[in-house]
Amino acid sequence: GENVEQHPSTLSVQEGDSAVIKCTYSDSASNYFPWYKQELGKGPQLIIDIRSNVGEKKDQRIAVTLNKTAKHFSLHITETQPEDSAVYFCAAILNRDDKIIFGKGTRLHILP
Amino acid sequence: EPEVTQTPSHQVTQMGQEVILRCVPISNHLYFYWYRQILGQKVEFLVSFYNNEISEKSEIFDDQFSVERPDGSNFTLKIRSTKLEDSAMYFCASKGVLAGGDNEQFFGPGTRLTVL
Repeated sequence: GENVEQHPSTLSVQEGDSAVIKCTYSDSASNYFPWYKQELGKGPQLIIDIRSNVGEKKDQRIAVTLNKTAKHFSLHITETQPEDSAVYFCAAILNRDDKIIFGKGTRLHILP
Repeated sequence: EPEVTQTPSHQVTQMGQEVILRCVPISNHLYFYWYRQILGQKVEFLVSFYNNEISEKSEIFDDQFSVERPDGSNFTLKIRSTKLEDSAMYFCASKGVLAGGDNEQFFGPGTRLTVL
């Protein structure tokens, strides 16, 4: 089955700097890659997603890139702010399936 | 904005006891899911449910687990005889059907289950 690996497990960046979280997936049949933000006491919330027919997508300070050949995808957060501190999960979904396969998560700390 | 709700937020139970975790999905959604997250580990898929039956279940979802949609609004996860290793955060999610086949699942805030 699909396996998603995520790095780093913890990331600390100065406020205003950029943060990058990287993921790899194993099944080339995966075609949808959502990213979730989980704040304390809440469930995962979708923040951005990308489909396999697209290489890059941007939404304000957040961007995702996808390299299908290498089975890599990444989340980029620019001009980080204190409210960006949270746990971020990458995930993959196979076209024929419905279940989300999550990465292990990255705890992002934004330092003042 | 519509949201998925879950009750209780925290459930403490003795090993061997039955627990029922409750979820109210977003009202016009048709697909329902349970996931769990053991402390410090990945969020893992348990089961998906559509049209009043299980669509898919993981290896974790053994005979001790069951799901039900007893009325038009609730979606429940029952664990018949809890084990220590069932201690985890359990998330419910729901998904609608939009033109273009949007895949977004909306997650509830979770129920923290502690088995003593």
